[in-house]
Amino acid sequence: DVVMTQSPLFLPVIPGESASISCRSNQSLLHSNGYTYLDWFLLKPGQSPQLKIYLGYLRPSGVPDRFSGSGSGTDFTLRISKVEAEDVGVYYCMQPLHSPITFGGGTRVEIK
Amino acid sequence: EVQLVASGGGLVQPGGSLRLSCVASEFIVNANYMSWVRLVPGKGLEWVAFIYSDGQTFYADSVKGRFTISRDNSKNALFLQMSTVRREDTGVYYCARGGGIAEVGTYHKMDVWGQGTTVTVSS
Repeated sequence: DVVMTQSPLFLPVIPGESASISCRSNQSLLHSNGYTYLDWFLLKPGQSPQLKIYLGYLRPSGVPDRFSGSGSGTDFTLRISKVEAEDVGVYYCMQPLHSPITFGGGTRVEIK
Repeated sequence: EVQLVASGGGLVQPGGSLRLSCVASEFIVNANYMSWVRLVPGKGLEWVAFIYSDGQTFYADSVKGRFTISRDNSKNALFLQMSTVRREDTGVYYCARGGGIAEVGTYHKMDVWGQGTTVTVSS
């Protein structure tokens, strides 16, 4: 199985500042079709996961442009600029390229 | 509003069975890839199963042979039949629109999620 490693485990942030989360895979997530299969989700307590980024850098409709995804191959980053209180929760990266789908261990983002 | 509403969770003894349901609104379940994902206490998110629009089904090794994913077109619903459950099946189960494995076919982003239903396996 593809192992997804996130860091840090815990990220205290000050509202208005930026935050970055790293996700690394032990196999390339670049498909022969040119797309990179790496998604980011936010899970808030008592809520369902919210898709924030798919295919490495694309934002679903309704996700603010404060969220951006970057990276290639095995090394990826989720950046949240100007963090707001509503951005707190646990962020997970996920790879749907190789079977089975696997998730990172999660990064808890809290307001400092 | 496009949404999924999950139900059916509860307390079940090891070795028992449970059926989870997920009803969709404003989109057609059988025209989409659909998935079940669980949040395992102390471990995080874990993919469980998905069903393709053509009816193919795929399972995580940990549930293969014990869980069955299915759908009912008349109810526009997705199901997860859980049998021979184990303590490690405890968690919050989410249904989602989307899924698949890109290297063997197609992947559709998981963009709509149900609210989750809690399964507790304990004697």
